[in-house]
This record gives sequence, structure tokens and C-alpha cells, in this order.
Amino acid sequence: QKEVEQDPGPLSVPEGAIVSLNCTYSNSAFQYFMWYRQYSRKGPELLMYTYSSGNKEDGRFTAQVDKSSKYISLFIRDSQPSDSATYLCAMPKGSQGNLIFGKGTKLSVKP
Amino acid sequence: SQTIHQWPATLVQPVGSPLSLECTVEGTSNPNLYWYRQAAGRGLQLLFYSVGIGQISSEVPQNLSASRPQDRQFILSSKKLLLSDSGFYLCAWSVGQNSNQPQHFGDGTRLSIL
Repeated sequence: QKEVEQDPGPLSVPEGAIVSLNCTYSNSAFQYFMWYRQYSRKGPELLMYTYSSGNKEDGRFTAQVDKSSKYISLFIRDSQPSDSATYLCAMPKGSQGNLIFGKGTKLSVKP
Repeated sequence: SQTIHQWPATLVQPVGSPLSLECTVEGTSNPNLYWYRQAAGRGLQLLFYSVGIGQISSEVPQNLSASRPQDRQFILSSKKLLLSDSGFYLCAWSVGQNSNQPQHFGDGTRLSIL
């Protein structure tokens, strides 16, 4: 079983839709969770950084962690064409700050 | 604020030629530094990481090497490029001595080998 699994999509939604992006992980020791957004031909940009279970909201974005299910989600409300990008989940592993990344979900928001 | 710079943005090199990609970080001291390669459909592959000057750890044995000659400078090199070295190379930094901090990425170098 892979340590982090993420559906690669692609996911296409109309403008204004609520988007749900998800990752599952296998290591119950993971406690910190990150979501990155990557536009084409650019480096990943940190969107959300959460610790342990629960929700964290930042504008139109909400990160949700369910440690009992080893499942994390990123919700985007009122999606915009500018949200079209690849979204990657990541978790720290080990003592050197190395991150385990999902393979990313490609999202397209159609006007 | 902290910034990370990578150059060049794109590079086309012939097979067998050498490579040097440079990454510098500003606005922080003693960062952890990372080199990744991102191939289409394969996600981010960690190549090297460094927790201090001259300290390099390799994650994947390959045709590449890394060096950290200064605290905020990280260099990715190769003596002879292979076709399989093509890809999108990303440098990242994180706060040192705190293993749970997020990494922050540069805008990458797109390397094409002909």
C-alpha cells in the first residue's frame, strides 16, 4: 500500500461549484498535513497547513483532517477559473523534514 | 520575507553534456534545502536534501549530484546528462531543525535533453 494516495483526476467542474479533493494515507503517525497548488510550469505553492484532526478555513478553502479514517480533504467553495491547477497533498515523514507527496489531482474550472 | 530563486527557467542540453542548476534562498538562515524532479504523471521525486553546508543526503542513486557551498545556496549537477534526466527540477526550502514545517518551492527549471 502506498503511503499517500490521491486520485489524479482530471476533475472538471463549472464555475461556482464546490470542489472536494481528497487523499488517503497509511501511516497513523502522520500529524501534520499540507495542501499545495501548482499551476502549469510553476512550482507548488503552499495553500493550507494543518495539524491533527478537524477543519481549518482560509477564505474559500477549507482543509479537513480525519485521522481515524486516515483521510484528508480540501474543499474549494465558489470555484473560479483561476483555481484551475494541480492540487497536491503532503505530509512530513522522518526527522529531516522530508515530505511525502500525493501525485496530485488536476482540476479544471470551466467558466 | 523569504524568497527562493532558481535558474535558468528552461534549459535544452545535448546528451552527454554537463549540467549545473542553481538555487538560492533569501531572508532566512540555516534552512533545509531540497532538490526534486517532477516527471509528467509521476509526482514529485525527492533527489537530494541538505540540513547544512556540505551536508548532502541522496534519496535516489542516479546520474546527478548536489552540493551546498554556502548556507543558502544549493546546486544540482551532472557530469554527463542522459535522456532520462529530462524533467522539471524544483528546489525547495524549509525552516531548519523543525521537521514538521512546510516546504516552499521555487518556480523550477524545465530541462530537455536532446
